[in-house]
Amino acid sequence: AQKITQTQPGMFVQEKEAVTLDCTYDTSDPSYGLFWYKQPSSGEMIFLIYQGSYDQQNATEGRYSLNFQKARKSANLVISASQLGDSAMYFCAMRGIIQGAQKLVFGQGTRLTINP
Amino acid sequence: DTEVTQTPKHLVMGMTNKKSLKCEQHMGHRAMYWYKQKAKKPPELMFVYSYEKLSINESVPSRFSPECPNSSLLNLHLHALQPEDSALYLCASSLTDQGSTEAFFGQGTRLTVV
Repeated sequence: AQKITQTQPGMFVQEKEAVTLDCTYDTSDPSYGLFWYKQPSSGEMIFLIYQGSYDQQNATEGRYSLNFQKARKSANLVISASQLGDSAMYFCAMRGIIQGAQKLVFGQGTRLTINP
Repeated sequence: DTEVTQTPKHLVMGMTNKKSLKCEQHMGHRAMYWYKQKAKKPPELMFVYSYEKLSINESVPSRFSPECPNSSLLNLHLHALQPEDSALYLCASSLTDQGSTEAFFGQGTRLTVV
């Protein structure tokens, strides 16, 4: 069963605006990692940011930040000052115990389009 | 060097052909993965190798046969595929298959079965 949920199939944002991409997860494993990847039309998966389940502070990497709310099991990606090059598919992923084994699994993805 | 290299980038094969996809990394990672991605879908895990041993097989049909000859190389042997196997095949690696280590992905092989 899918353990990562991204509820926004597509989002359209004006250039230079901030955007939040939603991600919720479900696991009974107390130790897990949450990742965001960007996939342009070329197909490569580009690692953006990571949050560990025991990390006290929200992760940040340049224009990317992860809004981690552990009690709500959410790990939303915030992109500040969006750029045209941010247009891509974005996947939330989780590594943890899923169906009895350590796995890295992905949500359904959100297609982000930045308008000029 | 944070690169995972996959070859070939594109592959067209007939249903009776035998072909192999290759994946290579020189980051000292001990976990390597194969994912299959259909259009407009997320990557689906196929296989995980940990320390050169197959640790996860997600009930993948036997026409897909993974091989890990050494810690830097991962192959996916293909035989008697079906048109529905056409997809983007992604290889990834991570330091281990546990916890916080991020997975780095290759650019993928776009496979078309005719």
